[in-house]
Order: sequence, then C-alpha cells, then structure tokens
Amino acid sequence: EIVLTQSPGTLSLSPGETATLSCRASQTVSSSYIDWYQQKPGQAPRLLIYGASSRATGIPARFSGSGSGTDFTLSINRLEPEDFAVYYCQHYGFSPPYTFGQGTKLEI
Amino acid sequence: EVQLVESGGGYAQPGGSLRLSCAASGFNFKTFEMNWVRRAPGKGLEWVSYISDAGGITHYTDSVKGRFTISRDNAENSLYLQMNSLRAEDTAVYHCARKGSQYDLLTHNYKSYMDVWGKGTTVTVSS
Repeated sequence: EIVLTQSPGTLSLSPGETATLSCRASQTVSSSYIDWYQQKPGQAPRLLIYGASSRATGIPARFSGSGSGTDFTLSINRLEPEDFAVYYCQHYGFSPPYTFGQGTKLEI
Repeated sequence: EVQLVESGGGYAQPGGSLRLSCAASGFNFKTFEMNWVRRAPGKGLEWVSYISDAGGITHYTDSVKGRFTISRDNAENSLYLQMNSLRAEDTAVYHCARKGSQYDLLTHNYKSYMDVWGKGTTVTVSS
C-alpha cells in the first residue's frame, strides 16, 4: 500500500505570496496517478491537478503541480483569499487502495 | 449541469445500519466508475469504496470490508452504499465521486482522478 505524507501540516501565508505544498510517497509511483484536491469547510473536495501536473477544467493558472518518483509538489502563485483551504494529494493508481495524504491546511 | 447528490445519512447506534444513496445527473452515469470517500471529524479524506461502470467489480478499504457494500442502478442513475455493523469510527461526511480518466501518452498509463463530487451526507454513529 502506498502511503502519502504531506508537509507541512499547516502553512501560514499572506495573500500575494507563493505556497509550496509537498507530497511524498512511500515508494516510487507513476506521476500519472498523483492528484491534488482542495477542500473548504462544508464543501465538497475540488479536483485541482491530475496526473501530477495537468490542471483540471476551470482551475486558474496560478495552481501548478510537479514532481516524479516519490516527491510531488503543488504550487500556488500569488495567493488569493479564496485559496485558503485544506489541500490533499491522492494516489489513484491501477489498483486500490486509493490513498490520500493527511492534508495540508493553508491559512492566512 | 453535471451533479451528484447524496442522501440517506443520519444517526445510527453502534451495530446498526444505514443505506446511502447518490443521485447522478447531467452525464451518462452508466459509463463512469464511481467511488465513496469520507471525512471523519477532525481528520482528512479517506477513500472508502469503488465500483466499476457495470457494477461487476468492487473494492473496499480494509476497515469496511465485510461491513459495507457498494452497488449501483444504472437505469436509475444511482449509486448506493449499504453500511452494516456500524462503528463510532464510521462517523463522517460521506461523498460520492465520479472517476475520470485520461490516457497519458508519456507514461502509457491512464491518469485517474475524481472529477465530480457530491456535497456529502453526514453519518453519525453513537449510542
């Protein structure tokens, strides 16, 4: 089973700054299988990035994903007030379980 | 509009049962694989269960195997999660989510993701 470890647990930044969120896998995984989601209180999760680096439909260009092997990154440039939320990476591979990281809370 | 709407959540005693439903609209439901994902209070997202488009293949996270059953009715555009032998640790908001996929020419793999989510239904297990 792939275990995903996200860091930091909480990231405190201000609007206009750049956020860098990390997701480390317990073993080498295909970049095709790493996705990133945003979740705000009381709302459904929203797909941001799939296949490590492809932006989902309607996601602003300030969101970008990168990485390979065991280390993956979600970057958010020029933070907007609405970007403050919890972010999860997920390994949706060929076979289950389709594990999530524990999340990174991005706070002002 | 592509939409998923969950229902059926509520209160149950330990050992009790609940059946969650997820109504799909705005897309060809029978051609999409589906999942259930939950978020317990104060915790992160946890994948719970998967079902193939025709319903013949199902998967579960270890903690619910033998207790939960995922199913679907493609004629009714509906997904279900039968939850038996409920435990306090099953308390969570349960979301249904559609699986999307895209072929990756670089890796020759299919990129898989959950691209449509419902807002969730709350399950509380307590005596």
